[in-house]
Amino acid sequence: GAGVSQSPSNKVTEKGKDVELRCDPISGHTALYWYRQSLGQGLEFLIYFQGNSAPDKSGLPSDRFSAERTGGSVSTLTIQRTQQEDSAVYLCASSLAHGGNQPQHFGDGTRLSIL
Amino acid sequence: GNSVTQMEGPVTLSEEAFLTINCTYTATGYPSLFWYVQYPGEGLQLLLKATKADDKGSNKGFEATYRKETTSFHLEKGSVQVSDSAVYFCALSASNSGYSTLTFGKGTMLLVSP
Repeated sequence: GAGVSQSPSNKVTEKGKDVELRCDPISGHTALYWYRQSLGQGLEFLIYFQGNSAPDKSGLPSDRFSAERTGGSVSTLTIQRTQQEDSAVYLCASSLAHGGNQPQHFGDGTRLSIL
Repeated sequence: GNSVTQMEGPVTLSEEAFLTINCTYTATGYPSLFWYVQYPGEGLQLLLKATKADDKGSNKGFEATYRKETTSFHLEKGSVQVSDSAVYFCALSASNSGYSTLTFGKGTMLLVSP
C-alpha cells in the first residue's frame, strides 16, 4: 500500500501476557518512529530507527519494551509482561530520511487494551 | 528540553466560523513546526508545516505562520466546516545528531456544528 500499515488494529490481552505490534513503513523510508498515545499523556516518543539500528531508545518506558527492525523495513514493538498502564494507542511513523524538515507519515495505530 | 503548548479544548464552533488554535513552543536551535490532524478513528495526518522563521504553511484552507519572535505557530481557518471536526496537534521537530523526533502538544479537539 501507499501508507504506513500497522497491525493488529486492535489488541485486547490479559495482564502479564506478551504482545507484539507490527509496523510496515512506506517503501523507501529509511527512518521509522514509534510513539504512544494515551489519555492524559498525549503523544510520547518511544524509539527511532535509522535503517536497522536504533540510535535513540530514550523514550522506551521500561525494560519490558523492546523493538527491532529487519531489512530496513518492517518493525516490531514487543511489550513483555504487560501491565494495565500499557493500555494506549501505539503509533508508527516513517519518513524519507532523518532531518528536522522531513515530515513523518503515520499509520492508523494499534489500540492496545490490557485487562 | 523541547516542549509544545497548545490551547486546551474542546473548541466548539458553528459552521463558517473563524478558527484559531494557539500553539507556542520552546526549543533549542531552529526547529521545524508542524500541524497534524487526527480524524475520529484514524491516525495522524500531516496538515501543514513550516521549516523556518516567517514561513507560512497552508493546506485545505488552514494556515499557520512560524513566528520566531513570539515562538508561536497558531493554526487558523477562515470558515470551518463540519468535516473539520477532529483533534489538532501542534508539533516541533528539532534535529539531534542528524535526526529528529517530534515533540507534540497535547492536542486540541475541534467540534463544528451545522
